[in-house]
Amino acid sequence: GQNIDQPTEMTATEGAIVQINCTYQTSGFNGLFWYQQHAGEAPTFLSYNVLDGLEEKGRFSSFLSRSKGYSYLLLKELQMKDSASYLCAAMDSNYQLIWGAGTKLIIKP
Amino acid sequence: GAVVSQHPSWVICKSGTSVKIECRSLDFQATTMFWYRQFPKQSLMLMATSNEGSKATYEQGVEKDKFLINHASLTLSTLTVTSAHPEDSSFYICSARSPLADTDTQYFGPGTRLTVL
Repeated sequence: GQNIDQPTEMTATEGAIVQINCTYQTSGFNGLFWYQQHAGEAPTFLSYNVLDGLEEKGRFSSFLSRSKGYSYLLLKELQMKDSASYLCAAMDSNYQLIWGAGTKLIIKP
Repeated sequence: GAVVSQHPSWVICKSGTSVKIECRSLDFQATTMFWYRQFPKQSLMLMATSNEGSKATYEQGVEKDKFLINHASLTLSTLTVTSAHPEDSSFYICSARSPLADTDTQYFGPGTRLTVL
């Protein structure tokens, strides 16, 4: 079957670094997405990885290992506004999105 | 975990026809379902929020007469794109909220890719 696993909740301190992991199993693979979703809002696109390696975009970086079925989202210099749910989604061979349940990130001062 | 399905996965239609997309919550009852539209590598754009047994609430700029939403039961919401045109071609994603889960939690469907010729 197809599935995505990511931690349910994580807590980190303002100014610190946090890494949110995501493992996936899909029928075929056409890339992995990370989204940020604040309560009551639509998910915001953060990153898309289809090749192995690290992609950096400001304070956020995303890493993919296709052989391991593994990705992580790295958030640096955490700010209070980074408190949100982070969704991992993999696209299968039919271009369907398989969604993780989301990781609720709590930032403490 | 909670599962949301969409049908069909893909649909190709001629301009002027109507297309119905179904969103089902498979193992829970969803009092609220959301319909999103996504363009490649962009954020999901919320189109409307549907609550079981009542009229959907549309976001600004979304034509309610063009995108008909029906949430007839606690496990099914449908989006009908009426008189579809090529500019309606997109990836449509639904999500469902379970009353038993955290109020902020949405479970997303796999999406429906619509191509209008």
